[in-house]
Amino acid sequence: GNSVTQMEGPVTLSEEAFLTINCTYTATGYPSLFWYVQYPGEGLQLLLKATKADDKGSNKGFEATYRKETTSFHLEKGSVQVSDSAVYFCALYMNTGFQKLVFGTGTRLLVSP
Amino acid sequence: GAGVSQSPRYKVTKRGQDVALRCDPISGHVSLYWYRQALGQGPEFLTYFNYEAQQDKSGLPNDRFSAERPEGSISTLTIQRTEQRDSAMYRCASSPGDEQFFGPGTRLTVL
Repeated sequence: GNSVTQMEGPVTLSEEAFLTINCTYTATGYPSLFWYVQYPGEGLQLLLKATKADDKGSNKGFEATYRKETTSFHLEKGSVQVSDSAVYFCALYMNTGFQKLVFGTGTRLLVSP
Repeated sequence: GAGVSQSPRYKVTKRGQDVALRCDPISGHVSLYWYRQALGQGPEFLTYFNYEAQQDKSGLPNDRFSAERPEGSISTLTIQRTEQRDSAMYRCASSPGDEQFFGPGTRLTVL
C-alpha cells in the first residue's frame, strides 16, 4: 500500500543552522507530495507541495524536491529560526483511487537561540 | 476568509457515552475529510465526502463510528458507546482539489 517514512525526531539545531528532514514514500502510481507543519497549540498548515517528478516546492525559506528515482521528498532550509520550532509532517496524495492524504509520523524540530 | 472550523475544541466524556463532532468546511469546498491523530503520530484517514456523498469510509475503525454530510457542507462525525481507546485528536479538512485545509481539531478524551 501507500506509505510515508520520515526520520525520527526530535531534531535539535541552533539558530541559523542548516536543516534537512528526510522523507521517503512508497506509492503505486504518481502521488502529489506535501509537507505540513504543526506549530505548538495550532492545527496543521500546508507548508509546500510538489505534484510531479522534479518539481520543487518552496515556502518561507523551506524547499523540497520531488525525486522519483529515489522516491524522496526531503525538506530543507538553509538557516533555521527559533520560530521554525514545530512538528513537520510529510504526506502523499493520490489523485486516483485512494483519494486521501497518507501522513508520516512527523518530525519534531527544536531550534535554540 | 474563514477557514475550517471544528466544534467542540475539547470534549471530555465518560466511557459508553455517544459524542458528535462537528466540522464546518471552507465555503465552496467540494471535498471534506476526517482524520484521527494519536499522540506522537501523523493523522490517519477515517472517511471522506464529495458533496453529500460518502466516497470512502474504509478508515472508520468499527461500526461505532459514522459520519454524515447531509447538505454537502457541514459534517458530523459520531462515535457511539465511546471507549478509552477512542481518545485522540480528530481533524477535519476541506479541499477544492488536491490541497487540503485543516481545522484546529477536536481533542476527545474518554474517561
